[in-house]
Amino acid sequence: EAGVVQSPRYKIIEKKQPVAFWCNPISGHNTLYWYLQNLGQGPELLIRYENEEAVDDSQLPKDRFSAERLKGVDSTLKIQPAELGDSAVYLCASSRGVTGPGGADTQYFGPGTRLTVL
Amino acid sequence: AQSVTQLDSQVPVFEEAPVELRCNYSSSVSVYLFWYVQYPNQGLQLLLKYLSGSTLVKGINGFEAEFNKSQTSFHLRKPSVHISDTAEYFCAVSDRDTGRRALTFGSGTRLQVQP
Repeated sequence: EAGVVQSPRYKIIEKKQPVAFWCNPISGHNTLYWYLQNLGQGPELLIRYENEEAVDDSQLPKDRFSAERLKGVDSTLKIQPAELGDSAVYLCASSRGVTGPGGADTQYFGPGTRLTVL
Repeated sequence: AQSVTQLDSQVPVFEEAPVELRCNYSSSVSVYLFWYVQYPNQGLQLLLKYLSGSTLVKGINGFEAEFNKSQTSFHLRKPSVHISDTAEYFCAVSDRDTGRRALTFGSGTRLQVQP
C-alpha cells in the first residue's frame, strides 16, 4: 500500500512570492490533515478535512493561507504571499476516519515539504 | 485545551543500554495517547498508541509505554537500544470525547544512540 505522497519535498522562494504544496493521501482515507512543523518543535494542526469538507481550520491563518480538497482525495495548501516566518516543514497526514467521537484514528504522515523563504 | 510536555529535548545513550523518554500531558477531557518516531528527512511513523484497557502498551521495534492516569504520564521505554533507534520521538494526545481528531504534539526528544 502506498503511503502519503507529498510534493515538492523542498521549496525555496523569495518572500512575498506564492507557493503551493500538494498531498495525495492513502487510498480510502477519508480524513486529511495539514500540519506545520517549525524547527525543533512538534507538528501543529493547520486544517483537517473530512472528505471534501474543512471541519477544523481554526489554526489556519486565513489572511495568507488557503487549502482545498477537491473530490475528497488529494489536497493543495497555498501560501500567498509567503513571509520569512513561514519557513518550516509542512506535513500532510491521512486517516481512515472512524465513526463516532474521539481521535483514536491512526494518522499516517507523508515525508513533508521543507519550505525556505528568503 | 491540551498540552504535552516532553521533559528532555535530547537523550544520549550507549548502544544496548535501556532508555526512557518522558512524556506528561495536561487536558480538560479524556485523551488517547500516542508515540511517533521521525527519522531524518522522513515523516512521522506511529510507534504505539493507548486507547483503553491495559495501561502497558507494546509497539513496534521493541518499544513499550505505560499510561499512568494519576501522574498524567505516558513514558516510552526500550530495554536495549540500537544505533538505528537514533531519531526524534514525539508524544501526542487527541481528544477522546469531543471528536476533534487532531493530534497535539510535544516538542520532541532527540534520542542519540552512541556505539
